[in-house]
Amino acid sequence: EVQVVESGGGLVQPGGSLRLSCAASGFTFSSYWMSWVRQAPGKGLEWVATIKQDGSEKYYVDSVKGRFTISRDNAKNSLYLQMNSLRAEDTAVYYCARDRRIQLMYYYYMDVWGKGTTVTVSS
Amino acid sequence: EIVLTQSPGTLSLSPGERATLSCRASQSVSSSYLAWYQQKPGQAPRLLIYGASSRATGIPDRFSGSGSGTDFTLTISRLEPEDFAVYYCQHYGSSLYTFGQGTKLEIK
Repeated sequence: EVQVVESGGGLVQPGGSLRLSCAASGFTFSSYWMSWVRQAPGKGLEWVATIKQDGSEKYYVDSVKGRFTISRDNAKNSLYLQMNSLRAEDTAVYYCARDRRIQLMYYYYMDVWGKGTTVTVSS
Repeated sequence: EIVLTQSPGTLSLSPGERATLSCRASQSVSSSYLAWYQQKPGQAPRLLIYGASSRATGIPDRFSGSGSGTDFTLTISRLEPEDFAVYYCQHYGSSLYTFGQGTKLEIK
């Protein structure tokens, strides 16, 4: 079964750090771009970060640049999000998603999603 | 940066009716970069449509997508009880993804 499972969420104080993990299975992890998407309580979806198959390209939403770092370990079929200098507005459910890119047709979308892990930033 | 505006914010319909959800981009975009997702309470988003009009694997044919330029539409031809959820459009461009704010489809 193709799936991704997030972990590592929790309660952290403002200014603190947290590292999220995403374990992939059922597909060749190293062949896919991967992304993190978050959803604040009662709000819509917000793309956070994306990483290329080999980790050579990384992209971030402006609000997390310089604070969050996306990375991956293809040998462990795992995706990570290191979150530093956390703020109250980072409180959200964080989803790991497989980023499907069919470049011949210029299709870009997210076709496999985890159930999410909750990050709460509060004192 | 492309901004996606979805309308209406909430759509109240009955099972069996036809639903038409709109996604408008702040400037013309390639339809191949436009996707739609469904999200039910407490669940992860689910891919419905990619490339503006291609159904994802396992998605019933009552779901269809259309549009070009700045105006895109998700149509549910005949609503089933399980279709009541929040729907998001998404665009990819300049190495970034953008989501619309969502349309809540509720039972009338």
